[in-house]
Amino acid sequence: AQTVTQSQPEMSVQEAETVTLSCTYDTSESDYYLFWYKQPPSRQMILVIRQEAYKQQNATENRFSVNFQKAAKSFSLKISDSQLGDAAMYFCAYGGATNKLIFGTGTLLAVQP
Amino acid sequence: EAGVAQSPRYKIIEKRQSVAFWCNPISGHATLYWYQQILGQGPKLLIQFQNNGVVDDSQLPKDRFSAERLKGVDSTLKIQPAKLEDSAVYLCASSPWDDLRGTDTQYFGPGTRLTVL
Repeated sequence: AQTVTQSQPEMSVQEAETVTLSCTYDTSESDYYLFWYKQPPSRQMILVIRQEAYKQQNATENRFSVNFQKAAKSFSLKISDSQLGDAAMYFCAYGGATNKLIFGTGTLLAVQP
Repeated sequence: EAGVAQSPRYKIIEKRQSVAFWCNPISGHATLYWYQQILGQGPKLLIQFQNNGVVDDSQLPKDRFSAERLKGVDSTLKIQPAKLEDSAVYLCASSPWDDLRGTDTQYFGPGTRLTVL
């Protein structure tokens, strides 16, 4: 069975600084996707970025980028130039053959002005 | 494009009562998912539909939870009777995914927060 682990329950960053959120996963599948979702207090899950496992190039979306290390089964999210609106719970998720998502326990990110 | 719609947004009930949640997915999306998110945890899949058939309901407590997706569009999730531990946010998501596609992005609705007293 697949598992997703987020070892940082909480993180804090100063506005305009850079922060990295960690995620590791375990799977025996060769073809899968990895996702980072943001969940603000409104509770709606918002897609931040996704990475296809067969792609070696790390995904980037504006200020958000990932460091995907397939052999190490590691998938970290880097947020550059942090903004107050980035404050939220961030979930790492694994999507495999049936498209079912397996979520980690989340990292609560605080952004200090 | 309209997003995933859910109602109600909030519901408070007494234990042993019944409750139902409704979800309308993004138009054209073949697959619909119901997740349960207990406070402090990540969402957990309860049931996955492809069109109006069930793909995965392995984590659905079938003695009290039921779900249906009539005509392959809207879906309802019901709890009868509710227990205290059912207090959670119930998230609905949809994606274009079908058997011919690889893993696809899921788009989530705003969720229904259920409190069981």
